[in-house]
Amino acid sequence: DVVLTQSPLSLPVTPGEPASISCRSSQSLQHSNGYNFLDWYLQKPGQSPQLLIYLGSNRASGVPDRFSGSGSGTDFTLKISRVEAEDVGVYYCMQAIQTPFMYNFGQGTKLEIK
Amino acid sequence: HLQLQESGPGLVKPSETLTLTCSVSGDADDSISSGSHYWGWIRQTPGKGLEWIASVFHTGSTYYNPSFKSRVTISVDTSKNQFSLRLSSVTAADTAIYYCARHLLNGFYNYWGQGRLLTVSS
Repeated sequence: DVVLTQSPLSLPVTPGEPASISCRSSQSLQHSNGYNFLDWYLQKPGQSPQLLIYLGSNRASGVPDRFSGSGSGTDFTLKISRVEAEDVGVYYCMQAIQTPFMYNFGQGTKLEIK
Repeated sequence: HLQLQESGPGLVKPSETLTLTCSVSGDADDSISSGSHYWGWIRQTPGKGLEWIASVFHTGSTYYNPSFKSRVTISVDTSKNQFSLRLSSVTAADTAIYYCARHLLNGFYNYWGQGRLLTVSS
């Protein structure tokens, strides 16, 4: 099974400052087609998770451009260029390389405002 | 704008069978029968976090997490634009928030229901 390890697990950030979350996979998430099957989700307090980034680096519809995803293979990063108060919540990475649908999520990184 | 809404009991007794239904609404292009999307159930617990349970395609093809396979059944009713999850022999460990969601073959869970809290208790 693919194991995803996120760090840090807790991330206090001052508004306006950048933030970075790492997601490391126990197996490569790069498909033979070249795509990396790694999504990022944000779960705001009291809400369902929402898709931020898919295929490692593609922003989902409506996601602000301050969010960016990068990485390949086993190491991925989600960056927020300037954190805003509305970015508070738990961020999850999810691998989608195992088929069919044996996807799993990282433990989550809780972002809070300082 | 696509919307998913879970419905079902909030409390079930141990050993009983749970049935949750997800109703899909939106434009004609958002129907369960259209496109290449899959429709799935994910649950969230404090201990295990987010956990995929099962998914179904509009043709009726089903996919299960082996951890649940012996207890779970997912089905789709295209005429009602709904899909359902049946979980048998529930225990306290099944206490969780259950989400229905739409996704593609390579992940991309881009629409989620608001979640349904299920408590298993006598």
